[in-house]
Formats: sequence, C-alpha cells, structure tokens
Amino acid sequence: DTEVTQTPKHLVMGMTNKKSLKCEQHMGHRAMYWYKQKAKKPPELMFVYSYEKLSINESVPSRFSPECPNSSLLNLHLHALQPEDSALYLCASSQGGGGVGETQYFGPGTRLLVL
Amino acid sequence: KNEVEQSPQNLTAQEGEFITINCSYSVGISALHWLQQHPGGGIVSLFMLSSGKKKHGRLIATINIQEKHSSLHITASHPRDSAVYICAVRSLSGTYKYIFGTGTRLKVLA
Repeated sequence: DTEVTQTPKHLVMGMTNKKSLKCEQHMGHRAMYWYKQKAKKPPELMFVYSYEKLSINESVPSRFSPECPNSSLLNLHLHALQPEDSALYLCASSQGGGGVGETQYFGPGTRLLVL
Repeated sequence: KNEVEQSPQNLTAQEGEFITINCSYSVGISALHWLQQHPGGGIVSLFMLSSGKKKHGRLIATINIQEKHSSLHITASHPRDSAVYICAVRSLSGTYKYIFGTGTRLKVLA
C-alpha cells in the first residue's frame, strides 16, 4: 500500500462550524505533514509530526489544530475559520522522521470552502 | 527573489513535442525533487535528485550542482502529461521543509 488517503474530498463549512480533516497512511511512515495550497500557488507547510510528536508549527493560527492519534493517522481540526482559509489542504508522509533524504508522498487533498 | 525559480511559468505544446522545464535555486541543497500536480489536486513525486540524471519512462531529470540548476524533460509529450510541474528543494539547513518553486503549468494539445 503506497497511498496516502484523505477525507473528505470536499468540505463546505460556515465560519462558526467545527469540522475535521483526516489523513491516513499504511506505509509505516513516521513523519506526517499538513500543507495549505491556494490557487495557482505552491503548497505552504503548516505542521509536521515526527514519530507522533509535533515537530513544526509554521506559526499557524490556533483555529487550526492538528492531532496525531497514532503513527498512521493525522487529523486537522478546524474551528471558527475565515473565508480566506478556503484552500486545498494536502497531507503528506515520509518514511523516517522527516530527514533530508526522504521523499514525501502526498494525498489527493481536501478542497475546503469557508462561507 | 524566490530561492527556487522555475521557467517557463506556462507552456503549451503539441502532442509529440519534446518539453523542457527548468529550475534554478540559490540555496545549498541536499536534494531536489520534481513533483507533478494534476488539476484534481493530488501531488505525485516524480524524481529525487542529488546528482546526475534519472530516467523514468518518457521523463528525464538532470541536475548540475555546481550551476544550481535542474531540468525536467518530457519526450513524446501526450495530453495526459498536462499538469503543473513543481521543483522543490530540501535545503541543507532545513530538515523537514521543501522550498517550492512556483510551478510550470503545462498543457499538451492533441
């Protein structure tokens, strides 16, 4: 299994809603990543988990809350989002702890629209 | 100035043409990746290079470390190659982060 899966594929939410994005991989990878991508822009790193511990938070607003319940699963909890948070949210994983020689494997993304 | 620059930004080709996409970077790197993103959104890693040349099917990627330059070539292009191609580097100073180029939008016409 060489796949990173993300659910849901599409999500529409209001600014007062609470929702969660889910990412799963069964490749035994120990680093997992959340990226945000706006239209026609490259992805921007949000969070990195290495061995289930949060290693990097790229100064992301607290309305985004990541969670790594186990080595295969990564969640992104969303609360009180703003319309400018509408974007494609990509999950990725890599084999080790995120070292320089690693390739990141990306999921298909969740397209989020905040109304 | 971005640390990773790609050219061209947009490219339209006829089916069968040979295509070259260029990437220049200004930081010390441990590896350079070429990624493909289709309109649906998912990103696929095509190559990871730290030296020389790699080939996979109709795709060839080269890197010149001294000149800080990489190229992605597509031979006998096909409409299914239409996608955004992104160059991303892993800098010597950053463990986790890709530094992404702005991408090259390729459209191959039948």
